[in-house]
Amino acid sequence: GQNIDQPTEMTATEGAIVQINCTYQTSGFNGLFWYQQHAGEAPTFLSYNVLDGLEEKGRFSSFLSRSKGYSYLLLKELQMKDSASYLCASMDSNYQLIWGAGTKLIIKP
Amino acid sequence: GAVVSQHPSRVICKSGTSVKIECRSLDFQATTMFWYRQFPKQSLMLMATSNEGSKATYEQGVEKDKFLINHASLTLSTLTVTSAHPEDSSFYICSAKEGGHTEAFFGQGTRLTVV
Repeated sequence: GQNIDQPTEMTATEGAIVQINCTYQTSGFNGLFWYQQHAGEAPTFLSYNVLDGLEEKGRFSSFLSRSKGYSYLLLKELQMKDSASYLCASMDSNYQLIWGAGTKLIIKP
Repeated sequence: GAVVSQHPSRVICKSGTSVKIECRSLDFQATTMFWYRQFPKQSLMLMATSNEGSKATYEQGVEKDKFLINHASLTLSTLTVTSAHPEDSSFYICSAKEGGHTEAFFGQGTRLTVV
C-alpha cells in the first residue's frame, strides 16, 4: 500500500535548527513535496525534490534519498512565524499526491 | 508562483441547503483541479480530481451525488455540497495544475459550517 510517515509534533527553539523527517512508500515515484500550513489556512509550497540530494532555498533545505524512500526538511535560524504544520507529500506514478499527516512544529522563544 | 483564488473563505449554511465553492486559476490554465477535505489536525484527503471538460474522478468513499464537481473551463472549477449536514462541516481546499507542470497551487480554502 501507499504510506507516508512523519512525526506528529516537534518542538524547537527560536534561532535553532530543526530537521523534519519523512519516509514514503508509494506506487511509483514522481517527486517529493514539502508544504507549510498555518492553522486555518491552505498549504503553501516549500520544495520539490525528484533527484537525490540536498536542495537549499534560503533558510529551508530539503533532502531526498530515493533508494531509502526518505526525505527531510531542514529549517535554519528558526523564527516564531515558522510555527506551523509541515506536510510531506509523495507524487505517485499517476501523478497523484499522497499526503502525510503533517508535523506540527512548535517554536519556543 | 501562480495564483489560485477560492471563494468563499468561510460559509455557514443550514442543514438541507446546498453550498457552492468556487476555485479559479487567475494567471494560468488549470487543466487539472483537485478538491480536498481536511478535518482538524489531520492531513488533506483527496475527494476528487477533475480535468477540464471531463467528468470528475472521485476517490473511494466520496459520494459523487453529494459533492458535485464541475470543471467547465480552464480557469474555474466548482464544488457544490448538496443537502448539507453538520457532518459535512470541514475545511475544503482546491488546488490547480497546468498541463505539463508538476506543481499544483492551492486556493485559500473554505471553512464550511453546517448548522
